[in-house]
Amino acid sequence: QQQVKQSPQSLIVQKGGISIINCAYENTAFDYFPWYQQFPGKGPALLIAIRPDVSEKKEGRFTISFNKSAKQFSLHIMDSQPGDSATYFCAASVHNTDKLIFGTGTRLQVFP
Amino acid sequence: KAGVTQTPRYLIKTRGQQVTLSCSPISGHRSVSWYQQTPGQGLQFLFEYFSETQRNKGNFPGRFSGRQFSNSRSEMNVSTLELGDSALYLCASSTDRGNSPLHFGNGTRLTVT
Repeated sequence: QQQVKQSPQSLIVQKGGISIINCAYENTAFDYFPWYQQFPGKGPALLIAIRPDVSEKKEGRFTISFNKSAKQFSLHIMDSQPGDSATYFCAASVHNTDKLIFGTGTRLQVFP
Repeated sequence: KAGVTQTPRYLIKTRGQQVTLSCSPISGHRSVSWYQQTPGQGLQFLFEYFSETQRNKGNFPGRFSGRQFSNSRSEMNVSTLELGDSALYLCASSTDRGNSPLHFGNGTRLTVT
């Protein structure tokens, strides 16, 4: 019940295309859902996050869509660029804790 | 503002030894948490500290321990190292547990031989 399932494991997208990564969870106590981007040799960097009281959040080219009833959330990267090539992790946590449960990661490659 | 600083960046130890990793959070951040990252298990939560008190602990054996100091700096210790402890150990900090963004350092790469 503590798991966060992430798919796909890897994704290849052409420059300018849309990258979509999906996550699903079981624990209804989760109330914070961040996405992290990680480049080789670096720690994860927070990209965008959402709480379950909204269904969508957009920051620049990055959008989180959240479906509370289906217990699913997804990251959309519009106009994908080669610089977006990285590993992306979804995560979830319950209230008042920094204990994040991470998905297994998606390796995104954007080709020119 | 300086980010989360972890030292050392790389460490090579032998089975049976112990190791201490250090983390300096972002200035003003009072919550520090630790994560282990491996290719097989992914990112796993180790523990969380706030105001020098451990608030949460992940599913790791007692060989893994940590502490937080009054200036919010934190250390984690692994005793009796095993080959399977080889991993990237990440420290993260936030201003307020669960209510503010969690910022990660670049980690300490531990190799156990």
